[in-house]
Amino acid sequence: QKEVEQDPGPLSVPEGAIVSLNCTYSNSAFQYFMWYRQYSRKGPELLMYTYSSGNKEDGRFTAQVDKSSKYISLFIRDSQPSDSATYLCAMDSNYQLIWGAGTKLIIKP
Amino acid sequence: NAGVTQTPKFQVLKTGQSMTLQCAQDMNHNSMYWYRQDPGMGLRLIYYSASEGTTDKGEVPNGYNVSRLNKREFSLRLESAAPSQTSVYFCASRPPGDTGELFFGEGSRLTVL
Repeated sequence: QKEVEQDPGPLSVPEGAIVSLNCTYSNSAFQYFMWYRQYSRKGPELLMYTYSSGNKEDGRFTAQVDKSSKYISLFIRDSQPSDSATYLCAMDSNYQLIWGAGTKLIIKP
Repeated sequence: NAGVTQTPKFQVLKTGQSMTLQCAQDMNHNSMYWYRQDPGMGLRLIYYSASEGTTDKGEVPNGYNVSRLNKREFSLRLESAAPSQTSVYFCASRPPGDTGELFFGEGSRLTVL
């Protein structure tokens, strides 16, 4: 079993929909939880960063961490075609990041 | 501000050939990383360097070597390329602190025939 599980998709939704992306993990020692966005043929870039449990909001994006369930989520409101990308979750372990496989998101105009 | 620069962007090799992927960052970061990305596998760490003069193995180091030439540069060498090393390779750097943010290059796409 992988330490971090993420559905690879693709997930296709119409423009304006609310998108929910999720990861589950097995290591209860993880403290830092991140979402990276990767456009086609580009390197990943940090989108959201959360320490421990709780919610964090940044514009149309909300990151949630539920440590009791070992489950993290990224919500995108009012999704736009420019949000079409692969979204990777990552978690910090001893100064190294453990990555999910990434979910490919397609927003249809 | 260039950030993290990787060269070459594309490369085709024959089995058994060697090559070096170059990476340089201009953000004065101490830590640098080499990852490979394969479909359905996410990012897998090959080697990392926590500071100038140190390197450590990651999850998939076999078949690779690295050199931290100075604070700016971190190279990845394939001594005898194999088809299983066909992948997209990303270099990244990380500033000090606990944010976990990595800054990535645009990737090097390697095909081994």
